[in-house]
Amino acid sequence: GAGVSQSPRYKVAKRGQDVALRCDPISGHVSLFWYQQALGQGPEFLTYFQNEAQLDKSGLPSDRFFAERPEGSVSTLKIQRTQQEDSAVYLCASSRTDNQPQHFGDGTRLSIL
Amino acid sequence: GIQVEQSPPDLILQEGANSTLRCNFSDSVNNLQWFHQNPWGQLINLFYIPSGTKQNGRLSATTVATERYSLLYISSSQTTDSGVYFCAVRAGGTSYGKLTFGQGTILTVHP
Repeated sequence: GAGVSQSPRYKVAKRGQDVALRCDPISGHVSLFWYQQALGQGPEFLTYFQNEAQLDKSGLPSDRFFAERPEGSVSTLKIQRTQQEDSAVYLCASSRTDNQPQHFGDGTRLSIL
Repeated sequence: GIQVEQSPPDLILQEGANSTLRCNFSDSVNNLQWFHQNPWGQLINLFYIPSGTKQNGRLSATTVATERYSLLYISSSQTTDSGVYFCAVRAGGTSYGKLTFGQGTILTVHP
């Protein structure tokens, strides 16, 4: 597609539920990044994929967070046993290669009740 | 890790005014991007500018990597320029391309 596509746009879940967020990067982009943006803050790095390989997951806040990109294209960020502090906007970005400009999707706004 | 500081934190302008936003970073970088986050939350790429000067319409940017700062200039501001402006950098020597963002400058342009 023309840009990075994320779904759903909004997600409301009850505390303790599992959620899955999807990212469809720009076609042909090797690098894919996930970021978390809390209200009033700048985005913060979560994890990085080069094709299907997850090369950096240093930003994942806990082992409840899991990301995958099995075929080197679409990626899914999964959060298990959600907690209120997980409420944030989750942004996905892709770039042609590692050091090229990153292009962001519109994000998924996650609210945990 | 690398620190990114943006100033001013808030800026209020009348339509037609010019402004300069600043981004300071604490270490060498090999990637720097400026973004505009509009009121709907979309992050729009403005510039990819690890060094030098670029212009795009009413916007221009300059990065002086050796002095560890970048400037974003907005001329003849319009109400549609309102939103949050972020500077984001990739630290030099970082193995992969993760970006570290500043806290942003909130720009409000009044008609």
